[in-house]
Amino acid sequence: GQNIDQPTEMTATEGAIVQINCTYQTSGFNGLFWYQQHAGEAPTFLSYNVLDGLEEKGRFSSFLSRSKGYSYLLLKELQMKDSASYLCAVSGSNYQLIWGAGTKLIIKP
Amino acid sequence: DGGITQSPKYLFRKEGQNVTLSCEQNLNHDAMYWYRQDPGQGLRLIYYSQIVNDFQKGDIAEGYSVSREKKESFPLTVTSAQKNPTAFYLCASKIEGATEPQHFGDGTRLSIL
Repeated sequence: GQNIDQPTEMTATEGAIVQINCTYQTSGFNGLFWYQQHAGEAPTFLSYNVLDGLEEKGRFSSFLSRSKGYSYLLLKELQMKDSASYLCAVSGSNYQLIWGAGTKLIIKP
Repeated sequence: DGGITQSPKYLFRKEGQNVTLSCEQNLNHDAMYWYRQDPGQGLRLIYYSQIVNDFQKGDIAEGYSVSREKKESFPLTVTSAQKNPTAFYLCASKIEGATEPQHFGDGTRLSIL
């Protein structure tokens, strides 16, 4: 079967760094997306990885290891506005997205 | 400004009633999607359409119907056959290309009266 696993909830302190992990088992792989979703709002696109390695975009970076079926999203210099859910989604063999349940990130002052 | 507009933001359904959720995009995207989001679960695909006048069932299509008569519009009808319709419904669209992300509307929250 196809499966994507993320931690349900994480807590971090303002100004710190946090790493949100995502592991996947899918039939086929055409890339991995990270989205941010504030409560009651639409998901917004953060990053896309299809090759192994790290992609950096300002305070946010995303890493992929295809051989391990593993990705992480790294958030630096955390701000209160980063409190949100972070969704991992894999593009499978038919190019449709398979979504993880999301990780709720709580930032404390 | 280009974007995806979903309406209404909140919707209430009575027993035995069909309701239609609107999704309009002015991004000139070919592909459009409907997802359902329940607490503690990932987004689940209801229907998708890659071209006008064509659409395919997703993982949880039972109790739902769609149409794609225009490129800009992809309405979702929640029929009375859907026994547990209370959820957050998200519409998305994207341009062609495997590396392109989906862009989402603001969602419609459907509840049962």
